[in-house]
Amino acid sequence: EPEVTQTPSHQVTQMGQEVILRCVPISNHLYFYWYRQILGQKVEFLVSFYNNEISEKSEIFDDQFSVERPDGSNFTLKIRSTKLEDSAMYFCASNSLGSTDTQYFGPGTRLTVL
Amino acid sequence: AQSVTQLDSQVPVFEEAPVELRCNYSSSVSVYLFWYVQYPNQGLQLLLKYLSGSTLVKGINGFEAEFNKSQTSFHLRKPSVHISDTAEYFCAVSDRAGGFKTIFGAGTRLFVKA
Repeated sequence: EPEVTQTPSHQVTQMGQEVILRCVPISNHLYFYWYRQILGQKVEFLVSFYNNEISEKSEIFDDQFSVERPDGSNFTLKIRSTKLEDSAMYFCASNSLGSTDTQYFGPGTRLTVL
Repeated sequence: AQSVTQLDSQVPVFEEAPVELRCNYSSSVSVYLFWYVQYPNQGLQLLLKYLSGSTLVKGINGFEAEFNKSQTSFHLRKPSVHISDTAEYFCAVSDRAGGFKTIFGAGTRLFVKA
């Protein structure tokens, strides 16, 4: 069964550094998303991406964040200058045009900012 | 705007007892409803979903949920729980007007005791 993959599984970085989290959505999917889960809290929507542009973003997704689909397979989340409060699990998700009801989630990347 | 309320933050229950995890939602349009399970240090796994049709939805691992439009609820049930069901359970909602993004509840920690 096809699945969403994410790399790395765990990223440790120093405050102020840039990080790029990578995701490979399911190959025929067209909608892509990033979510965040701070330890012990609920999963929060960050951004959705369709047709090579952001379709919606939350208040959390400020100018420090950006997303990109650099090629036909990867979908990346960049945090330009990390803060301590960016420490969280980041989930990528995707769904297809014909099945917009169910998003398939990746296993997550745990980001730790020191 | 959509929102999801999970009424119990923690639910302790003995093994082989029945359990119900409560979820209420609000939305101005027709919605899709989901339950996800998250085991410790793992990603999100879809348990079941309601899109339309029969209000009783069966999912994996013996779970089921009932959609009640008049009460705007989507409670999750299992007639007999196992130790291995100990996990965090998230109720979630999405709709086409919301650009397909998923809004999650705060989660309910199910703790099954021997």
